[in-house]
Amino acid sequence: AQSVAQPEDQVNVAEGNPLTVKCTYSVSGNPYLFWYVQYPNRGLQFLLKYITGDNLVKGSYGFEAEFNKSQTSFHLKKPSALVSDSALYFCAVRDYGGATNKLIFGTGTLLAVQP
Amino acid sequence: DTGVSQNPRHKITKRGQNVTFRCDPISEHNRLYWYRQTLGQGPEFLTYFQNEAQLEKSRLLSDRFSAERPKGSFSTLEIQRTEQGDSAMYLCASSLAGGNPNSPLHFGNGTRLTVT
Repeated sequence: AQSVAQPEDQVNVAEGNPLTVKCTYSVSGNPYLFWYVQYPNRGLQFLLKYITGDNLVKGSYGFEAEFNKSQTSFHLKKPSALVSDSALYFCAVRDYGGATNKLIFGTGTLLAVQP
Repeated sequence: DTGVSQNPRHKITKRGQNVTFRCDPISEHNRLYWYRQTLGQGPEFLTYFQNEAQLEKSRLLSDRFSAERPKGSFSTLEIQRTEQGDSAMYLCASSLAGGNPNSPLHFGNGTRLTVT
């Protein structure tokens, strides 16, 4: 079964510093990986997705993600954090091959950017 | 069309009452998903429609839950005899059908249910 794990419940970073939000995955077959962001009382907004062959994927709002096959990781990164980046971040993997192609989500990481 | 629309945004109900939520997906999307999210957790899959056909239901979806998508456009999720444990954010998402596994899901802003 496909799964993702987000080992950190919360990440704290100072504004202007680089940030990393970690995600590891377990899949049978090719990994189809996604990052979403959620602001309070809102739905999930798509940030970026893994594209086969690209180890560094660029997404919305200056975010990027680094894919590492040997470490089965897909970490979210940003070179310079903004206070407005403070939100809940979810990694997800597609349950591909069944009827639904549904996404399976991690437990989320709360990013807090201090001014 | 600006995205997936969900109504109502908030619903407070007393235990034992029935509630119904509505989701209007992006117009050209024929795949529709319902998820449930409780505090501090990631979204959990509930059910999936392709057009009007309900193709998968999670074991989380007890007999008190029913979902429909009668004309392959909007969908409704009904919870009968609500319990306090049903309190959660209910999220709807849609996507295009097809064989592209890279196609993301597009989420609405959710309906937050509070059962007192």
